[in-house]
Amino acid sequence: GENVEQHPSTLSVQEGDSAVIKCTYSDSASNYFPWYKQELGKGPQLIIDIRSNVGEKKDQRIAVTLNKTAKHFSLHITETQPEDSAVYFCAASKRSQGNLIFGKGTKLSVKP
Amino acid sequence: DAGVTQSPTHLIKTRGQQVTLRCSPKSGHDTVSWYQQALGQGPQFIFQYYEEEERQRGNFPDRFSGHQFPNYSSELNVNALLLGDSALYLCASSSGTAYYGYTFGSGTRLTVV
Repeated sequence: GENVEQHPSTLSVQEGDSAVIKCTYSDSASNYFPWYKQELGKGPQLIIDIRSNVGEKKDQRIAVTLNKTAKHFSLHITETQPEDSAVYFCAASKRSQGNLIFGKGTKLSVKP
Repeated sequence: DAGVTQSPTHLIKTRGQQVTLRCSPKSGHDTVSWYQQALGQGPQFIFQYYEEEERQRGNFPDRFSGHQFPNYSSELNVNALLLGDSALYLCASSSGTAYYGYTFGSGTRLTVV
């Protein structure tokens, strides 16, 4: 079955810097890759997603890139702010699989 | 527009007991999935309900069971609780057989002592 690996497990940046989180997946049939942000005491919140028919998607300060050949995708956050501090999860899914396979998460700390 | 609602928010149970967790999906959604999130880990898929039937199941023992009601709400039942069942239980709703567009609730924190 699908396996998603996420790196790094923790990331600390200064406010205003960029942050990059990387994930790899094992099942070449996976074609949907969402990113979730989870704040303390809350459930995961979808922040951006990408399908395998595009290589990049951007939404204001957040962007996701996908390399299908290498089977990896990345989350890029620019101009980080203290409120970006949270745990971020990548996930993968495909049409024949009605559930998400998650990575283990990255704890992002943005220092003022 | 209410999102996914889960109850209770916190629960403490004794080993060997049984527990029932509840979930109301986001308005317009008819599919409910349950995930278990251990401390410091990503969510793991338990099962998914659509049209009142279990459509998919993850690698969880039969002690974990569920139900979906005609109004699309759902329950997760866990029997013979083990200490290792302590976790955050998340409910996610979506529409039909779509494999995207999941909305998660805030979860139920279950502690087994």
